[in-house]
Amino acid sequence: GNSVTQMEGPVTLSEEAFLTINCTYTATGYPSLFWYVQYPGEGLQLLLKATKADDKGSNKGFEATYRKETTSFHLEKGSVQVSDSAVYFCALSPSYGQNFVFGPGTRLSVLP
Amino acid sequence: DAGVIQSPRHEVTEMGQEVTLRCKPISGHNSLFWYRQTMMRGLELLIYFNNNVPIDDSGMPEDRFSAKMPNASFSTLKIQPSEPRDSAVYFCASSLTGGNTGELFFGEGSRLTVL
Repeated sequence: GNSVTQMEGPVTLSEEAFLTINCTYTATGYPSLFWYVQYPGEGLQLLLKATKADDKGSNKGFEATYRKETTSFHLEKGSVQVSDSAVYFCALSPSYGQNFVFGPGTRLSVLP
Repeated sequence: DAGVIQSPRHEVTEMGQEVTLRCKPISGHNSLFWYRQTMMRGLELLIYFNNNVPIDDSGMPEDRFSAKMPNASFSTLKIQPSEPRDSAVYFCASSLTGGNTGELFFGEGSRLTVL
């Protein structure tokens, strides 16, 4: 079946540190891949997405590249801010109208 | 544009009571999803509608849970009778393309506490 695996959290970094959150997936076909972010007390919101192999999604300084050969979609940011503290979810959407599959989420805390 | 609107934002009830959560998806979206989020189990898909028809309800925990979508602009998730283990944040989300390549838009959630 389809599944998403994320690195275990929580992740605690100092402001301006480099961030990587690993995500790997298992899916049939050619899924679209997403990173969602959830700030405290809010719903999830799309951070970035990639719909085919070698696509790079980017937003707010975050980037992730769709790597089909390694079935990965790792999230990176060069310099994190305190305001980036949130829970990050990797997700996939298989082709042919099937529903989304979310990873367990990785909690990021950025300290000033 | 208004996003996905959920109500109530917070609900505290006693075990055995009926709970109804409501969702208004984004106008024009043709798919609607109900998710449950807990610390222990993370984000779980409960049910998914496409064009108001339930497509996948395999995530609905048991017969105490039911969901309806009488029209394109409204959905309910009902728990009857409620139990303490149902305490969670329930999210509604909608999308335009059925979820295969499009973005999911989430509401702010309904936090349910069953005493």
